[in-house]
Amino acid sequence: EVQLVESGGGVVQPGGSLRLSCAVSGFTFRSFWMSWVRQAPGKGLEWVANIDQDGNKKYFVDSVKGRFTISRDNAKNSLYLQMSSLRPEDTAVYYCGRGSGTSVDNWGQGTLVTVSS
Amino acid sequence: QSVLTQPPSVSAAPGQKVTISCSGSSSNIGNNFVSWYQQLPGTAPKLLIYDNYERPSGIPDRFSGSKSGTSATLGITGLQTGDEADYYCGTWDTSLSAGVFGGGTKLTVL
Repeated sequence: EVQLVESGGGVVQPGGSLRLSCAVSGFTFRSFWMSWVRQAPGKGLEWVANIDQDGNKKYFVDSVKGRFTISRDNAKNSLYLQMSSLRPEDTAVYYCGRGSGTSVDNWGQGTLVTVSS
Repeated sequence: QSVLTQPPSVSAAPGQKVTISCSGSSSNIGNNFVSWYQQLPGTAPKLLIYDNYERPSGIPDRFSGSKSGTSATLGITGLQTGDEADYYCGTWDTSLSAGVFGGGTKLTVL
């Protein structure tokens, strides 16, 4: 069974940093693109970033470029999202997903990030 | 303002059919595959359709997808109360080099 479990969410002050993790199991992690998608409270889905199988290709939505980085550790079956210079508008549930921007076929349960003073 | 445009809401009676549209441009829908997602209240999204019209295993054939030019459509037949959810289209935007979603459509089964 494919499983994705996010962790690392919490409350952080504006300008602060946070690192999200996504532990996966049930499939060959190193064979898939992976993505982060977020959803602000009461709002729609917003694609955030993705990374290729080797970690060489990375893409980001404009609003997080220069502030967020995406990485993976294929030996640990884990995906990461390092978030810095956080803003109130980054407040959202962050989902990790298997797949690239065209199709995410498995999703985690999400982790809530709240940016507030 | 989402890159992909969906109607905010649609509704239909149980047993009926509904379609949800998703409009984009040549840089996204026009030249890339479209996916559709269902998000039940309080849960993570679920993939319903990929590559414009393909269904993952376990998704009933009541759900269908199509694409024409720069628009895509999700069809749901034999509506059930359990289909009440938010539905999102998504694809890649070649000009933005980023994934994009529609704003979402809330389906109400009356």
